Amino acid sequence: DAGVIQSPRHEVTEMGQEVTLRCKPISGHDYLFWYRQTMMRGLELLIYFNNNVPIDDSGMPEDRFSAKMPNASFSTLKIQPSEPRDSAVYFCASSLGAGEGADTQYFGPGTRLTVL
Amino acid sequence: GNSVTQMEGPVTLSEEAFLTINCTYTATGYPSLFWYVQYPGEGLQLLLKATKADDKGSNKGFEATYRKETTSFHLEKGSVQVSDSAVYFCALSPRGYNKLIFGAGTRLAVHP
Repeated sequence: DAGVIQSPRHEVTEMGQEVTLRCKPISGHDYLFWYRQTMMRGLELLIYFNNNVPIDDSGMPEDRFSAKMPNASFSTLKIQPSEPRDSAVYFCASSLGAGEGADTQYFGPGTRLTVL
Repeated sequence: GNSVTQMEGPVTLSEEAFLTINCTYTATGYPSLFWYVQYPGEGLQLLLKATKADDKGSNKGFEATYRKETTSFHLEKGSVQVSDSAVYFCALSPRGYNKLIFGAGTRLAVHP
């Protein structure tokens, strides 16, 4: 299996621009998670989906952030407009819905976002 | 509520030294417990896990035992290598939930 795939791996943009991060979960996984990692705040869960439905978005920092999962194999995290404080590494992870090992999450390589 | 506390880093060791990274947790019920490792420039990888009290998770020479009485899941390795240099995260998953709650991470640096 290819694992969780994220694109782009690096993104540099200017303040005010729209940024879209993409994630392809492991085939057959029912849960998808978006995290943000910074030196100051560590690893934060932003939102997670079950069977393409958002379950908990309480970690989304503000209305500038939105996430979608139009089908089982694709999710996006959008920031509009972006700000320098959004600079971070964004990780996507996926896990099985049930059964043995259902609670083990598999992480993608991350997208390093720099907002100038 | 649910939370994970792990020792602050960085931890600096010489090659072949013994490693312990402490992790304690607070949880309702009986969570699953995990150690994830993050190598420089990469995502988190599952290192080991344990799903019930007294279980021992092990992988690549690392071990951790689920201690319900002390609510701990300390990570140990008998002889570290330079290639073990990474950030280690302790995490729990509350029973019945597919959500992970992470500790702050502990950076390990191993020198030759």
